Amino acid sequence: GQNIDQPTEMTATEGAIVQINCTYQTSGFNGLFWYQQHAGEAPTFLSYNVLDGLEEKGRFSSFLSRSKGYSYLLLKELQMKDSASYLCAVRDSNYQLIWGAGTKLIIKP
Amino acid sequence: GAVVSQHPSRVICKSGTSVKIECRSLDFQATTMFWYRQFPKQSLMLMATSNEGSKATYEQGVEKDKFLINHASLTLSTLTVTSAHPEDSSFYICSARDMRSGDSYEQYFGPGTRLTVT
Repeated sequence: GQNIDQPTEMTATEGAIVQINCTYQTSGFNGLFWYQQHAGEAPTFLSYNVLDGLEEKGRFSSFLSRSKGYSYLLLKELQMKDSASYLCAVRDSNYQLIWGAGTKLIIKP
Repeated sequence: GAVVSQHPSRVICKSGTSVKIECRSLDFQATTMFWYRQFPKQSLMLMATSNEGSKATYEQGVEKDKFLINHASLTLSTLTVTSAHPEDSSFYICSARDMRSGDSYEQYFGPGTRLTVT
Protein backbone atom coordinates (compact mmCIF):
# COMPACT_ATOMS: atom_id res chain seq x y z
CA GLY A 1 0.00 0.00 0.00
CA GLN A 2 0.92 3.63 -0.13
CA ASN A 3 2.06 5.27 3.04
CA ILE A 4 3.36 8.62 4.18
CA ASP A 5 4.69 9.07 7.71
CA GLN A 6 5.32 12.30 9.54
CA PRO A 7 5.36 13.10 13.25
CA THR A 8 2.00 13.93 14.74
CA GLU A 9 3.13 16.94 16.72
CA MET A 10 6.25 19.00 17.34
CA THR A 11 7.02 21.91 19.64
CA ALA A 12 9.61 24.59 19.02
CA THR A 13 10.60 27.99 20.38
CA GLU A 14 10.10 31.31 18.66
CA GLY A 15 13.24 32.31 16.77
CA ALA A 16 14.58 28.76 16.63
CA ILE A 17 14.84 26.24 13.80
CA VAL A 18 12.68 23.14 13.38
CA GLN A 19 12.89 20.23 10.96
CA ILE A 20 9.78 18.24 10.08
CA ASN A 21 10.50 14.86 8.54
CA CYS A 22 8.42 12.90 6.05
CA THR A 23 9.04 9.38 4.81
CA TYR A 24 7.04 7.82 2.03
CA GLN A 25 6.33 4.57 0.25
CA THR A 26 4.27 5.10 -2.87
CA SER A 27 3.51 3.54 -6.21
CA GLY A 28 5.87 5.63 -8.24
CA PHE A 29 7.05 9.15 -7.56
CA ASN A 30 6.30 12.34 -9.43
CA GLY A 31 7.13 14.97 -6.88
CA LEU A 32 6.69 15.82 -3.23
CA PHE A 33 4.80 18.79 -1.85
CA TRP A 34 4.71 20.53 1.49
CA TYR A 35 1.62 22.48 2.50
CA GLN A 36 0.84 24.62 5.53
CA GLN A 37 -2.62 24.50 7.03
CA HIS A 38 -3.86 26.76 9.80
CA ALA A 39 -6.76 25.49 11.88
CA GLY A 40 -10.06 25.81 10.05
CA GLU A 41 -8.43 26.91 6.82
CA ALA A 42 -7.46 25.25 3.57
CA PRO A 43 -3.86 24.22 2.91
CA THR A 44 -1.47 26.65 1.25
CA PHE A 45 1.42 25.58 -0.93
CA LEU A 46 4.91 25.85 0.52
CA SER A 47 7.28 23.86 -1.66
CA TYR A 48 7.72 21.28 -4.38
CA ASN A 49 10.63 18.85 -4.82
CA VAL A 50 11.05 16.42 -7.69
CA LEU A 51 14.85 16.11 -7.77
CA ASP A 52 17.16 15.23 -4.91
CA GLY A 53 18.51 18.11 -2.93
CA LEU A 54 17.53 21.21 -1.08
CA GLU A 55 15.08 23.85 -2.26
CA GLU A 56 15.28 27.10 -0.34
CA LYS A 57 12.54 29.67 -0.24
CA GLY A 58 13.02 32.37 2.33
CA ARG A 59 12.72 31.01 5.86
CA PHE A 60 11.48 27.67 4.55
CA SER A 61 13.59 24.96 2.89
CA SER A 62 12.63 21.51 1.71
CA PHE A 63 14.94 18.57 1.11
CA LEU A 64 14.36 15.39 -0.86
CA SER A 65 16.16 12.06 -1.12
CA ARG A 66 14.32 9.82 -3.54
CA SER A 67 16.54 6.80 -2.85
CA LYS A 68 15.64 6.99 0.82
CA GLY A 69 12.00 7.95 0.33
CA TYR A 70 12.63 10.87 2.63
CA SER A 71 11.98 14.57 2.79
CA TYR A 72 12.15 17.26 5.40
CA LEU A 73 10.81 20.76 5.76
CA LEU A 74 13.12 23.16 7.58
CA LEU A 75 11.70 26.28 9.14
CA LYS A 76 14.12 28.96 10.33
CA GLU A 77 13.63 32.00 12.54
CA LEU A 78 10.34 30.64 13.75
CA GLN A 79 7.50 33.06 14.28
CA MET A 80 4.33 32.58 16.26
CA LYS A 81 2.34 32.66 13.02
CA ASP A 82 4.17 29.49 11.93
CA SER A 83 2.03 27.54 14.38
CA ALA A 84 0.05 25.33 12.02
CA SER A 85 -0.15 21.84 10.61
CA TYR A 86 2.36 20.93 7.92
CA LEU A 87 1.24 18.39 5.36
CA CYS A 88 3.56 16.27 3.26
CA ALA A 89 2.07 14.95 0.02
CA VAL A 90 3.57 12.74 -2.68
CA ARG A 91 2.35 12.51 -6.24
CA ASP A 92 2.34 8.92 -7.36
CA SER A 93 2.68 7.30 -10.78
CA ASN A 94 -0.95 8.17 -11.56
CA TYR A 95 -0.30 11.81 -10.66
CA GLN A 96 -2.53 11.45 -7.62
CA LEU A 97 -1.55 13.22 -4.42
CA ILE A 98 -1.08 10.92 -1.45
CA TRP A 99 -1.35 12.89 1.78
CA GLY A 100 0.37 12.46 5.09
CA ALA A 101 -1.66 13.00 8.25
CA GLY A 102 0.13 16.26 8.94
CA THR A 103 2.43 17.50 11.68
CA LYS A 104 1.00 19.98 14.14
CA LEU A 105 3.70 22.50 14.96
CA ILE A 106 3.37 24.43 18.21
CA ILE A 107 5.53 27.51 18.63
CA LYS A 108 6.20 28.73 22.15
CA PRO A 109 7.45 32.21 23.05
CA GLY B 1 -2.78 34.96 -9.28
CA ALA B 2 -4.11 31.40 -8.98
CA VAL B 3 -7.02 32.11 -6.67
CA VAL B 4 -9.71 29.54 -5.99
CA SER B 5 -12.96 30.47 -4.32
CA GLN B 6 -15.60 28.34 -2.68
CA HIS B 7 -19.19 29.14 -1.84
CA PRO B 8 -20.63 28.95 0.70
CA SER B 9 -17.95 29.10 3.37
CA ARG B 10 -20.31 27.68 5.97
CA VAL B 11 -23.64 25.93 5.64
CA ILE B 12 -26.00 24.31 8.09
CA CYS B 13 -28.69 22.06 6.70
CA LYS B 14 -31.23 19.61 7.99
CA SER B 15 -30.83 15.90 7.61
CA GLY B 16 -32.29 14.66 4.33
CA THR B 17 -31.79 17.86 2.39
CA SER B 18 -29.24 18.52 -0.36
CA VAL B 19 -26.44 21.07 -0.37
CA LYS B 20 -24.50 22.43 -3.33
CA ILE B 21 -20.94 23.72 -2.95
CA GLU B 22 -19.32 25.75 -5.72
CA CYS B 23 -15.63 25.87 -6.53
CA ARG B 24 -14.31 28.50 -8.92
CA SER B 25 -10.88 29.27 -10.29
CA LEU B 26 -10.90 33.05 -10.51
CA ASP B 27 -7.90 33.93 -12.64
CA PHE B 28 -6.88 30.75 -14.39
CA GLN B 29 -8.38 27.85 -16.26
CA ALA B 30 -8.56 24.57 -14.43
CA THR B 31 -9.14 21.50 -16.54
CA THR B 32 -8.90 19.41 -13.39
CA MET B 33 -10.39 20.09 -9.99
CA PHE B 34 -10.24 17.95 -6.89
CA TRP B 35 -12.69 17.56 -4.04
CA TYR B 36 -11.43 16.69 -0.57
CA ARG B 37 -13.06 16.05 2.75
CA GLN B 38 -11.34 16.64 6.05
CA PHE B 39 -12.61 15.51 9.42
CA PRO B 40 -11.31 17.20 12.58
CA LYS B 41 -7.67 16.52 13.32
CA GLN B 42 -7.36 14.31 10.25
CA SER B 43 -5.63 14.76 6.94
CA LEU B 44 -7.24 15.53 3.63
CA MET B 45 -9.13 12.69 2.01
CA LEU B 46 -9.53 12.85 -1.75
CA MET B 47 -13.14 12.24 -2.70
CA ALA B 48 -13.05 12.69 -6.45
CA THR B 49 -11.19 14.14 -9.39
CA SER B 50 -13.23 16.31 -11.67
CA ASN B 51 -12.28 16.88 -15.28
CA GLU B 52 -13.99 19.55 -17.33
CA GLY B 53 -16.55 18.11 -19.69
CA SER B 54 -16.36 14.54 -18.45
CA LYS B 55 -17.55 12.44 -15.56
CA ALA B 56 -15.75 12.70 -12.27
CA THR B 57 -13.54 9.90 -11.03
CA TYR B 58 -14.48 8.89 -7.51
CA GLU B 59 -12.18 7.38 -4.93
CA GLN B 60 -12.95 4.00 -3.48
CA GLY B 61 -15.62 4.19 -0.84
CA VAL B 62 -17.10 7.49 -2.03
CA GLU B 63 -20.70 7.15 -3.21
CA LYS B 64 -21.06 8.84 -6.59
CA ASP B 65 -24.85 9.01 -6.25
CA LYS B 66 -24.55 10.80 -2.95
CA PHE B 67 -21.80 13.22 -3.87
CA LEU B 68 -22.70 14.60 -7.28
CA ILE B 69 -19.94 16.46 -9.07
CA ASN B 70 -20.38 18.64 -12.11
CA HIS B 71 -17.47 20.33 -13.86
CA ALA B 72 -19.29 22.22 -16.59
CA SER B 73 -16.66 24.82 -17.41
CA LEU B 74 -12.95 25.48 -17.07
CA THR B 75 -13.55 27.66 -14.05
CA LEU B 76 -16.39 26.02 -12.16
CA SER B 77 -16.98 22.69 -10.44
CA THR B 78 -19.84 21.91 -8.08
CA LEU B 79 -20.26 19.27 -5.41
CA THR B 80 -23.79 18.43 -4.32
CA VAL B 81 -24.24 16.44 -1.15
CA THR B 82 -27.59 14.72 -1.59
CA SER B 83 -29.78 13.52 1.25
CA ALA B 84 -27.27 14.77 3.78
CA HIS B 85 -26.85 13.02 7.12
CA PRO B 86 -25.07 14.19 10.27
CA GLU B 87 -22.09 11.96 9.43
CA ASP B 88 -21.59 14.05 6.28
CA SER B 89 -20.71 17.01 8.48
CA SER B 90 -17.16 17.88 7.55
CA PHE B 91 -14.83 20.42 6.00
CA TYR B 92 -15.05 20.15 2.21
CA ILE B 93 -12.16 21.62 0.24
CA CYS B 94 -11.70 21.91 -3.49
CA SER B 95 -8.48 22.45 -5.34
CA ALA B 96 -7.71 23.29 -8.92
CA ARG B 97 -4.73 22.43 -11.01
CA ASP B 98 -3.23 25.34 -12.86
CA MET B 99 -1.87 24.09 -16.16
CA ARG B 100 0.48 27.08 -16.28
CA SER B 101 2.49 25.62 -13.42
CA GLY B 102 4.12 23.22 -15.82
CA ASP B 103 5.52 19.98 -14.49
CA SER B 104 4.82 20.77 -10.89
CA TYR B 105 1.09 20.78 -11.58
CA GLU B 106 0.64 22.66 -8.36
CA GLN B 107 -2.80 22.54 -6.85
CA TYR B 108 -4.40 25.67 -5.48
CA PHE B 109 -6.91 25.20 -2.73
CA GLY B 110 -10.16 26.96 -2.10
CA PRO B 111 -10.85 28.24 1.41
CA GLY B 112 -13.10 25.30 2.22
CA THR B 113 -16.75 24.87 3.15
CA ARG B 114 -17.78 23.86 6.64
CA LEU B 115 -20.90 21.69 6.34
CA THR B 116 -22.96 20.93 9.42
CA VAL B 117 -25.93 18.59 9.08
CA THR B 118 -28.41 18.71 11.95
